[in-house]
Amino acid sequence: DTGVSQNPRHKITKRGQNVTFRCDPISEHNRLYWYRQTLGQGPEFLTYFQNEAQLEKSRLLSDRFSAERPKGSFSTLEIQRTEQGDSAMYLCASTKDTSYEQYFGPGTRLTVT
Amino acid sequence: AQRVTQPEKLLSVFKGAPVELKCNYSYSGSPELFWYVQYSRQRLQLLLRHISRESIKGFTADLNKGETSFHLKKPFAQEEDSAMYYCALKGRGSTLGRLYFGRGTQLTVWP
Repeated sequence: DTGVSQNPRHKITKRGQNVTFRCDPISEHNRLYWYRQTLGQGPEFLTYFQNEAQLEKSRLLSDRFSAERPKGSFSTLEIQRTEQGDSAMYLCASTKDTSYEQYFGPGTRLTVT
Repeated sequence: AQRVTQPEKLLSVFKGAPVELKCNYSYSGSPELFWYVQYSRQRLQLLLRHISRESIKGFTADLNKGETSFHLKKPFAQEEDSAMYYCALKGRGSTLGRLYFGRGTQLTVWP
């Protein structure tokens, strides 16, 4: 499968714990996006990278959230001190510079108890 | 503000009937709009984009700037069209990288 992959697919954690998700984009794609999707809503933009540079961050991304893409390949999204409101599906997408289509991964479903 | 509205959360039609999924947007200037689809247990994928003016799986969508709409239409719905459909708007300026999604419409096509 050469599509976007995300790990883990599911994560259950207790409130206050830290969690980290990983996204592996399609290999030749230099742009990588993170979105969050809660029940009954469409995906909401969190942040995006062009190569290793984080070019845009949503106001949804509080200080507890941090994202990295250290070598311009895979990316990680960390949530510190998780809260119940963080429970959601976290989606990753990638694209080439000149492409309009964002290719989405399967998502990581986070449940904070 | 850039915003996408999909007024219908749920839409049901019978096989062979026409279907129209509504999408309205808020945007100053020339928007770039997309329809994404998510079939059961599959990932979100692009269905079509207004720039290409193409028909995919029998679906078309026309940009109406006067009504700020980008409705998705198909003349004869099929059972395999049952899915969640999201309308999306590409950001501009400082928000160029992002897509703004509507809340989605769950389409069910009955046999």
